Amino acid sequence: DSGVTQTPKHLITATGQRVTLRCSPRSGDLSVYWYQQSLDQGLQFLIQYYNGEERAKGNILERFSAQQFPDLHSELNLSSLELGDSALYFCASSAQGGGENYGYTFGSGTRLTVV
Amino acid sequence: GQSLEQPSEVTAVEGAIVQINCTYQTSGFYGLSWYQQHDGGAPTFLSYNALDGLEETGRFSSFLSRSDSYGYLLLQELQMKDSASYFCAVRDGTSGTYKYIFGTGTRLKVLA
Repeated sequence: DSGVTQTPKHLITATGQRVTLRCSPRSGDLSVYWYQQSLDQGLQFLIQYYNGEERAKGNILERFSAQQFPDLHSELNLSSLELGDSALYFCASSAQGGGENYGYTFGSGTRLTVV
Repeated sequence: GQSLEQPSEVTAVEGAIVQINCTYQTSGFYGLSWYQQHDGGAPTFLSYNALDGLEETGRFSSFLSRSDSYGYLLLQELQMKDSASYFCAVRDGTSGTYKYIFGTGTRLKVLA
């Protein structure tokens, strides 16, 4: 157990639907990052939150949104789902200082399948 | 912007040594990290190099040359369990963010 908890582990939904992915960071970590990994692809950065505030944005679609709550857990909302949104969605957390020497701690991911 | 290049696949036999290269382009450099990811699993942090030279951690070593914008991960005494994808990553140069940009990954196959 890495300390980063993601739920659900698997999600199957139909095109056009909306889903919410949840992430609880490791205890003490203030930063949460969301990444998308499509089949046999690298990790594409979506968005970062730090202590409740959006800190950085990647190539995140307008249909996607996220937020970080006062208890530091984060949610990634995906709407108007398309077949191409099928992917593994990872959440990662890091310490306040950025965690360069220790890197990110990743959750086990949510596998989203859009049918 | 940032970009990273690494070979898509490397194959080696058990007990051998393998080197996975990574070249990067970045607007501001804060260090090069390496992650391991087994199929269906989460990426796990392996190493971080901020300065030139070799960092050794057990069977794994990581090297950085900032002047060449180049680094590599060296895996020694390969074991079957080392079969996985390996990603290099650089931190975005934008002030105030610790977001990392990942390479496309190198799939390492270890043969018996």
